[in-house]
Amino acid sequence: AQTVTQSQPEMSVQEAETVTLSCTYDTSESDYYLFWYKQPPSRQMILVIRQEAYKQQNATENRFSVNFQKAAKSFSLKISDSQLGDAAMYFCAYRSPYNNNDMRFGAGTRLTVKP
Amino acid sequence: DAGVIQSPRHEVTEMGQEVTLRCKPISGHNSLFWYRQTMMRGLELLIYFNNNVPIDDSGMPEDRFSAKMPNASFSTLKIQPSEPRDSAVYFCASSLVAEPYSYNEQFFGPGTRLTVL
Repeated sequence: AQTVTQSQPEMSVQEAETVTLSCTYDTSESDYYLFWYKQPPSRQMILVIRQEAYKQQNATENRFSVNFQKAAKSFSLKISDSQLGDAAMYFCAYRSPYNNNDMRFGAGTRLTVKP
Repeated sequence: DAGVIQSPRHEVTEMGQEVTLRCKPISGHNSLFWYRQTMMRGLELLIYFNNNVPIDDSGMPEDRFSAKMPNASFSTLKIQPSEPRDSAVYFCASSLVAEPYSYNEQFFGPGTRLTVL
């Protein structure tokens, strides 16, 4: 079964600086989807960025980018020019393309942004 | 679109009482998911519907939990009787599964925070 590991329970970054959140996963599948979700205090789960495993190019969404290392099964999230509104829990998630209901989430990383 | 709607946002009840959580998926979506989030276990999938039919309920913790989807625009998650260990945030998510093996984003509702005393 696929597992997702986020080894950093908490991270802190200074406003306007860059921070990287780590995520590793375990799978025997060659095709899959990876996601980063943001959960602010409002509890809403917001999709930040996604990556298809068959794409070699790292996904980018404005200040958010990923470093996808398929061989290492690593999927880190980089937040550039951190803003106070980035403070939230961040969850890494894996989903198999063969099973739409099989979404596995990591335990989450709580990001604090210091002014 | 208003997104996935869940009610109530907060529920406080006493042990032994019946609790019903409600979800309205995004119009046109054909898949619906119920998740539970706790500090100890993180986000767990409880049950998944496709075209109103329960497909996988292996995540439902025990017989006290039941879920229904009587039509494409409404689903309920019921706990009877409730216990303190059921305290958690329950999320509903919906998705449009247009093709198998394709990317189908799940859109999450705001969640219901359940506290069982």
